[in-house]
Amino acid sequence: DAGVIQSPRHEVTEMGQEVTLRCKPISGHNSLFWYRQTMMRGLELLIYFNNNVPIDDSGMPEDRFSAKMPNASFSTLKIQPSEPRDSAVYFCASSLARQGRVNEQFFGPGTRLTVL
Amino acid sequence: GQQVMQIPQYQHVQEGEDFTTYCNSSTTLSNIQWYKQRPGGHPVFLIQLVKSGEVKKQKRLTFQFGEAKKNSSLHITATQTTDVGTYFCAGRGTTDSWGKLQFGAGTQVVVTP
Repeated sequence: DAGVIQSPRHEVTEMGQEVTLRCKPISGHNSLFWYRQTMMRGLELLIYFNNNVPIDDSGMPEDRFSAKMPNASFSTLKIQPSEPRDSAVYFCASSLARQGRVNEQFFGPGTRLTVL
Repeated sequence: GQQVMQIPQYQHVQEGEDFTTYCNSSTTLSNIQWYKQRPGGHPVFLIQLVKSGEVKKQKRLTFQFGEAKKNSSLHITATQTTDVGTYFCAGRGTTDSWGKLQFGAGTQVVVTP
């Protein structure tokens, strides 16, 4: 298995630009999670999907952030417009959610975003 | 809201020594998971605990879930340089949506040979 795939691995952009992060979950997984990791705030859940439907987006910081999952094999996290405080490592994770079973999450390698 | 606290934030360990990292929640948890993140890497799932008082072992790692399901611990014996990394606990509150894990801030472990 290829694991969770994220692109790009690194992104440097200027304040005000639109940024799109991409994620391909593990084939067969039905849940997808977007996290943000910073030194100050640690690992934060932004949003997660189950069967391509957003279930909980209470962690999305503000309207500048949006996430979509048009199909089971692809998701995007978009920041528009980007700000320096958005600089962080963004992780995508996927899992196979099953009632009563261990729902371990498999993390992708992350996208390191720097907003100048 | 639920908060998951981890202590200590940093742990310097001499190779061969034991150490323990602790995880405490302000509310009762449905389950707790532990992850390890190597420097420059991504979190990797270690284990999940569900039952009150549960204890699980993985070689030199021992995981416990408290009786009240509000705290957990990870104990590593005979630390090796391969244990370097940050260990996170992540819990789901009983009233949280099923996929909502709240991660602790992590314990960063440095091993001195």
